[in-house]
Amino acid sequence: EVQLVESGGGLVKPGGSLRLSCAASGFSFSRFSMNWLRQAPGKGLEWVSFISSSGSDIYYADSVKGRFTISRDNGKNSLYLQMNSLRAEDTAVYYCARSELGGYVYWGQGTLVTVSS
Amino acid sequence: SSELTQPPSVSVSPGQTASITCSGDTLGTKHACWYQQKPGQSPVLVIFQNIQRPSGIPERFSGSKSGTTATLTISGTQAMDEADYYCQAWDSSPVVFGGGTKLTVL
Repeated sequence: EVQLVESGGGLVKPGGSLRLSCAASGFSFSRFSMNWLRQAPGKGLEWVSFISSSGSDIYYADSVKGRFTISRDNGKNSLYLQMNSLRAEDTAVYYCARSELGGYVYWGQGTLVTVSS
Repeated sequence: SSELTQPPSVSVSPGQTASITCSGDTLGTKHACWYQQKPGQSPVLVIFQNIQRPSGIPERFSGSKSGTTATLTISGTQAMDEADYYCQAWDSSPVVFGGGTKLTVL
């Protein structure tokens, strides 16, 4: 069974940093591209970042470019999102999701990041 | 334009057909996906590559695309289909989502 489990969310002050993790199991992690997406409270879905299976291709949404860094460790079956210079508008549930079929079939349960003083 | 436009809300009676549209220039060259999201849950992919249905998704869910507009159709809508629905244009970067449509089954 494919499982994606996010962790690392919490309350952080504006300007602070947080590192999210996504532990993958039930599939060959190194064969799939992965993504981070987010959803602000009461709002719609927003794609945040993409990383290819080998990590050689990386893309970011303009809203996080220069502040967030996506990475992966295929040996540990894990995906990461380093978030720096956090802003109130980064408050959201952050999901990791596997790329396939031209969409996202598997999603984690999400981890809440709250940026507030 | 990379924006996708959905109606904020759609209402349907049980057993009737619900249609949710998604419009945007990017759909002229990109495939559309559709997601269902119920309160407190992660999104579920219900349509990919415009018309394909993942395994486990009921046959009452179907998709279509014409030009720059994609449509999600739910035939014989059930109370359990009440949810938010999001369209998405597939691309490596940036990935664009519609603003979402709240489907109410009256």
